[in-house]
Amino acid sequence: KNQVEQSPQSLIILEGKNCTLQCNYTVSPFSNLRWYKQDTGRGPVSLTIMTFSENTKSNGRYTATLDADTKQSSLHITASQLSDSASYICVVTPRNTDKLIFGTGTRLQVFP
Amino acid sequence: SAVISQKPSRDICQRGTSLTIQCQVDSQVTMMFWYRQQPGQSLTLIATANQGSEATYESGFVIDKFPISRPNLTFSTLTVSNMSPEDSSIYLCSVDPRTARDEQFFGPGTRLTVL
Repeated sequence: KNQVEQSPQSLIILEGKNCTLQCNYTVSPFSNLRWYKQDTGRGPVSLTIMTFSENTKSNGRYTATLDADTKQSSLHITASQLSDSASYICVVTPRNTDKLIFGTGTRLQVFP
Repeated sequence: SAVISQKPSRDICQRGTSLTIQCQVDSQVTMMFWYRQQPGQSLTLIATANQGSEATYESGFVIDKFPISRPNLTFSTLTVSNMSPEDSSIYLCSVDPRTARDEQFFGPGTRLTVL
């Protein structure tokens, strides 16, 4: 069964610190892996998209990595800001389909 | 990118009633989807809204409960019928503009509470 699991479920860090969120998936083969940020009460917004052949993608302070051999991805946030407080969702698209497989998300809280 | 708006942004409804949620996109898109996000959960696909034909529903979702309209390439509605408290969720519209980036954009969501 295609699954996407994320860890930790929740995370609290202090402003200015770095953190790394993990995503493990069983979807195979897949077209791409995305990381979304979802602020409370908002829809998800795309941070990065990586095809199966890419192993890193950056978007400002956000850097995503992908290891297709171990079926793992991570999202690293550098120098966290209060506005980074949100849920971060890992999403995998199986090949030859439009349907996305969503992870359960990591809820990040950044405190001053 | 695609800009998506949804109406209403939130509503509180009585059980047994129905609510229609509207989704408007600022450009023509082929692929449009409706998702549900229950409290503390991730997103679950309800259906793909097909322009000019009946929507394609995922397992566990039926047309009688979630009728969908897609009259053109920029607009869709989702109705939550005969609501119960278990329908309390965020309902999100999403589009895939079929660009080279293969990105899916989401609306801001409609937060529904059923009493």
